[in-house]
Amino acid sequence: QSVLTQPPSASGTPGQRVTISCSGSSSNIGINTVNWYQQLPGTAPKLLIYTNNQRPSGVPDRFSGSKSGTSASLAISGLQSEDEADYYCAAWDDSLNGQVFGGGTKLTVL
Amino acid sequence: QITLKESGPTLVKPTQTLTLTCTFSGFSLSTSGVGVGWIRQPPGKALEWLSLIYWDDNKRYSPSLKSRLTITKDTSKNQVVLTMTNMDPVDTATYYCAHLSVSYYGAFDIWGQGTMVTVSS
Repeated sequence: QSVLTQPPSASGTPGQRVTISCSGSSSNIGINTVNWYQQLPGTAPKLLIYTNNQRPSGVPDRFSGSKSGTSASLAISGLQSEDEADYYCAAWDDSLNGQVFGGGTKLTVL
Repeated sequence: QITLKESGPTLVKPTQTLTLTCTFSGFSLSTSGVGVGWIRQPPGKALEWLSLIYWDDNKRYSPSLKSRLTITKDTSKNQVVLTMTNMDPVDTATYYCAHLSVSYYGAFDIWGQGTMVTVSS
């Protein structure tokens, strides 16, 4: 049982916009920033979004993040087949004094 | 260019102690704001944060595993070592080390390739 809650799956067709939610609490998302990671099949996770809505260099602007209260969202616009991956949200939890991850969302491009 | 690589045994027996080494290049763990973390992922399951060590030797551990984990750094060798005692088959997972940068406000911006550890007698 992960501290941050994500839907286990999401899907969309090429070109569509999809969003993935991440629900937390007042001890994590409510007071700390959210990061998102993309894990392509068989590979290590890659930082996709940091500090709620910032993209590292090289990440396409099709990917965007937002946060409101104790929830966060990752949006992917102009969906492409290569976006098929697992997506994880993460945040620092002040009560646990450590990082917490969501359970991951498997994105399927139909 | 920052790189990290995990090394250690691929197979350990139940009750044994696991020692994993993260060897990195492209940064110094004596630079203010820098850290190295360990994260694991059981087959087909989600990521789980284990531990984190900062440039100033500050350490953090997952509360659920704290009694079993020890993290240390050797700045001169550019290595971080994680030990986990009393291994159990449920600890079978891919173990990753990752770079934490103040530039990315505490996000793990660079990850190692991971090393698979199987716990079985």
